[in-house]
Amino acid sequence: EVVLTQSPGTLSLSPGERLTLSCRASQRLDSAFVAWYQQRPGQAPRLLFYGTTNRAPGVPDRFDGGGYGTDFTLSISRLEVEDIGLYYCQQYDKSPWTFGQGTRVEI
Amino acid sequence: EVHLVDSGGDVVLPGESLTLSCVASGFTFDDYTMHWVRQSPERGLEWVSSINWDGSETRYAESVKGRFVISRDNNRESVFLELNGLTSDDSAKYFCVRDLMGAFDYWGQGTHVSVSS
Repeated sequence: EVVLTQSPGTLSLSPGERLTLSCRASQRLDSAFVAWYQQRPGQAPRLLFYGTTNRAPGVPDRFDGGGYGTDFTLSISRLEVEDIGLYYCQQYDKSPWTFGQGTRVEI
Repeated sequence: EVHLVDSGGDVVLPGESLTLSCVASGFTFDDYTMHWVRQSPERGLEWVSSINWDGSETRYAESVKGRFVISRDNNRESVFLELNGLTSDDSAKYFCVRDLMGAFDYWGQGTHVSVSS
């Protein structure tokens, strides 16, 4: 199965800063089949991006998704307090669908 | 507005069975493939099973194949997951999830399954 490795494990930043989260796949992926999720404390995951760059409804445009091949990124241009939580990448190119282990974003 | 309400989680003994339910509203249920995804501190997020719009195609993670059964009732706008032969590795929060071409665009609030002797 495809293993997704996310880095860093934890990011501690200040409001207004820019951050980039990384997701590296153990096999080359079609970028049409990579997604990112945000999970705020105590909540279910929320879809941010699908098909690498397609922003889900309601996601602020300070979030951006990118990448191809084995390396994918999620960027937040200006960190806000509401952005704290866990971020997961997911691939749905090759069965079984798999998730990364997550990156924790702290302020 | 899309809503998915999961239920049925419980504390059970190893080897016992349980059935989880998910009631959907706010969208045309039989237009969508549905999934179950689970989350635990030990295993993180793990896709468990999926069922297509009419129930004719089902898929399972290797870790649950032969023990779990997914089904749906489009008249009741519901999807179910029957968990059999439970082990401590199955302890997790189980989420009912709507499919968006393989991504997961709406999630239930989750229901807890704890397997402990």
